[in-house]
Parts: sequence; structure tokens; C-alpha cells
Amino acid sequence: GQNIDQPTEMTATEGAIVQINCTYQTSGFNGLFWYQQHAGEAPTFLSYNVLDGLEEKGRFSSFLSRSKGYSYLLLKELQMKDSASYLCAAHSSASKIIFGSGTRLSIRP
Amino acid sequence: GAVVSQHPSRVICKSGTSVKIECRSLDFQATTMFWYRQFPKKSLMLMATSNEGSKATYEQGVEKDKFLINHASLTLSTLTVTSAHPEDSSFYICSARDLGGVDTQYFGPGTRLTVL
Repeated sequence: GQNIDQPTEMTATEGAIVQINCTYQTSGFNGLFWYQQHAGEAPTFLSYNVLDGLEEKGRFSSFLSRSKGYSYLLLKELQMKDSASYLCAAHSSASKIIFGSGTRLSIRP
Repeated sequence: GAVVSQHPSRVICKSGTSVKIECRSLDFQATTMFWYRQFPKKSLMLMATSNEGSKATYEQGVEKDKFLINHASLTLSTLTVTSAHPEDSSFYICSARDLGGVDTQYFGPGTRLTVL
């Protein structure tokens, strides 16, 4: 079967660091996406990991371990505008993207 | 990044009517487009994969006669919700696959459908 697991909600403080974990099981795997979605809006692309390891892009970094079926999104120097849902999504071999249920991140001052 | 548009952004219709939603890739050609629906505070659920010039591939549990998909050109796919009912009220989002760089999908802004 196909399964994407990530925490439902997280809370963090402005200026801090937060890590959002994701585990996946899919039939075939090409890579792992992270998307950001603000309420009422479509998702926006953050990152795509194909190889194991950490990829850094400004304040956001994404990590992948294919052998463990595990990824995380790391957000540094949190800002209030980072309050959003973060969707972990697996790119399956059928060229489909299977989404997790999303993690609602709330940033407090 | 690549731009995908959707029209309309919001539609309210009466029960029993049909609604057409357009998805366009504005600056790239998309042989494959995807249609998702999203209920409040839930994740995206893939409804169907739309391939240019051929029939769409529907996910299990999605009625193909109710959700008609047409992908007539490399930049346009349409989703028609036929005989809409209140339970069809949802946020419908399309995405277009860009093979030019990273094999990713770019999402349209979404269409909020409310069926009265």
C-alpha cells in the first residue's frame, strides 16, 4: 500500500528552528517533495529530494533517507509568515504525487 | 517558476447544474495535468491524471461520468463537474507536469466550488 505519515500540528516560536518529519511507503519511489500551503491557497513548491542527504535552500532545508523511507523539512529563523501547512509528498514510479495529510505549523511571537 | 492558471477561481451553482473548470499552463507545454480536490483541513486527493490527446486516468472511487476531463491541447485541461450536488462542494486544484527541469508539478491557484 501507499502511506505518508507526518504530524498533524506543530507549534514553534518566532526566530526558532523547527523540524517537520515525514515517513513514507509507496509502490515505487522517485523522490520526495515538500510543499507549503497557506489556508485557501494552492500549494507552492519548496523542495524535491531524489538522493540521500540534506539540501539547503535559504532558511529551508530538506533531508531524505531512501533506505529508511524518511524525510524532514527544517525551517530556520522562523517568521510569522511561515505559519502554514507543510505537505510531504512522495513521487511514485507512476509519476503520481501522493500527498500526506499535511502538518499545520503555527508560529507564536 | 512555471505558471499555471485556473478559471474560475470561485463558483457558486445550484444543485443539478454542471460546472466547467479550466486549467492552463501559461509558459510551458504540459502533456500531463493532474486534478485534485481538497476538503477543509485535509490534504490533496488525486482525482485523475489528464493526458493530452487521450483519455484521462481516474483514481479508484472517482466517477468518470461525473467528473469529465478533457485535455485537448498541450496547455489546457478542463474538468466538468456534471449534475453537481452539495457534497461536490470543495476546493479543486489542477497541476501541470513540467519535464523541462525538475520533474515536478506546478499548481494552479485552485477553484472553490460551492453547490447550493
